[in-house]
Amino acid sequence: EVQLVESGGGLVQPGGSLRLSCAASGLTFSDSHMNWVRQTPGRGLEWISYIGSGYNIYYGDSVRGRFTISRDNAKNSVYLQMNNLRDDDTAVYYCARDHDWSFHNWGLGTLVTVSS
Amino acid sequence: QSALTQPASVSESPGQSITISCTGTGTDVGGYNRVSWYQQHPGKAPKLLISEVSKRPSDVSDRFSGSKSGNTAYLTISGLQAEDEADYYCCSSSGPVTWVFGGGTKLTVL
Repeated sequence: EVQLVESGGGLVQPGGSLRLSCAASGLTFSDSHMNWVRQTPGRGLEWISYIGSGYNIYYGDSVRGRFTISRDNAKNSVYLQMNNLRDDDTAVYYCARDHDWSFHNWGLGTLVTVSS
Repeated sequence: QSALTQPASVSESPGQSITISCTGTGTDVGGYNRVSWYQQHPGKAPKLLISEVSKRPSDVSDRFSGSKSGNTAYLTISGLQAEDEADYYCCSSSGPVTWVFGGGTKLTVL
């Protein structure tokens, strides 16, 4: 059974930084394409970043230049470094594995709150 | 990357069928056969129901089906059950490796 477990969320002030982690199990992680998707009550679900098995990387417009995705296959983990955080980055952040252009597996999410 | 358009809410009685629409443009829904649908119960993570417009994972009931016509995709749920009451989201590729979601539809089973 595939399991994705996010961690690292919390309360941070505007302009601050936070690093999210996602630990994966039950899959061949090195062959997996991984994503971060966030959810807010007002804006629903929003795809924000992708890192492929070949380490190719893509970002959504709202986070490009501020967020950095990375992965460590030895630790079966994917990370999201979030800098210059803004109020509208407040959301639940999900780690998700995509296959055939769909998000087949999701973690339970970690809450990030940006507030002074 | 504008969100795909879904009705905010729909409702139907148990045993009936319902169809949820998801409208995009030629650069997302209309441009790719990469539409997926997700079900989300309160406080839970989204669950994949349909991939690539109409493919259903093995653990998803055959009461769920997907289709597409032009720039609009559809999710149909037949034989509605109380457990189907949830939020439903569509998603489409909007580029080589980018995705856009719909705003979500709240399904109420009366």
